[in-house]
Amino acid sequence: QKEVEQNSGPLSVPEGAIASLNCTYSDRGSQSFFWYRQYSGKSPELIMFIYSNGDKEDGRFTAQLNKASQYVSLLIRDSQPSDSATYLCAVGNYGGSQGNLIFGKGTKLSVKP
Amino acid sequence: EAQVTQNPRYLITVTGKKLTVTCSQNMNHEYMSWYRQDPGLGLRQIYYSMNVEVTDKGDVPEGYKVSRKEKRNFPLILESPSPNQTSLYFCASSLSRSTDTQYFGPGTRLTVL
Repeated sequence: QKEVEQNSGPLSVPEGAIASLNCTYSDRGSQSFFWYRQYSGKSPELIMFIYSNGDKEDGRFTAQLNKASQYVSLLIRDSQPSDSATYLCAVGNYGGSQGNLIFGKGTKLSVKP
Repeated sequence: EAQVTQNPRYLITVTGKKLTVTCSQNMNHEYMSWYRQDPGLGLRQIYYSMNVEVTDKGDVPEGYKVSRKEKRNFPLILESPSPNQTSLYFCASSLSRSTDTQYFGPGTRLTVL
């Protein structure tokens, strides 16, 4: 059974701090990695995707991928109260006709003013 | 504006009364999918479609039907809803397969009494 694990949280950080969200996955053949943000009662929206080992930066967000350790993380710098949401990690494998995309259950982030 | 739309957004119904939740996308995406989201269980895929007239089961297809007669539309049908189908439902689309970036609709909150 392919799994994507996230700490459910809540993760609480003060405004302006760095929030670090972590995700591990079981399928070594995974090739695509996504971070989605979901506000309460709303739909998930893509924050970042990463395919290669290393770091990928986009504004205040940095995704980090370590395939050897089967680990992907999201760093949010200068956290704002508006970043308070649940963050979903999704891991994809291109095998099969549609590919195989598995979502983690999400980490709830709370940024305190 | 590129978007995925769902209707209705909220629905309260009774056991056994057939219902349809519509989903439409205007991005010419080939891949469309339905998910349900329940507390503690994360996003689970119900059905997906790789293209017109091509549909297949996801992880939790029991009690649901789908059809894909046009590229833009992918309705979800509950022929005899039961209380365990009370959930938050999301339609999503992506370019060609599940491992492409998923674009989610706004969600349909369904309550079956």
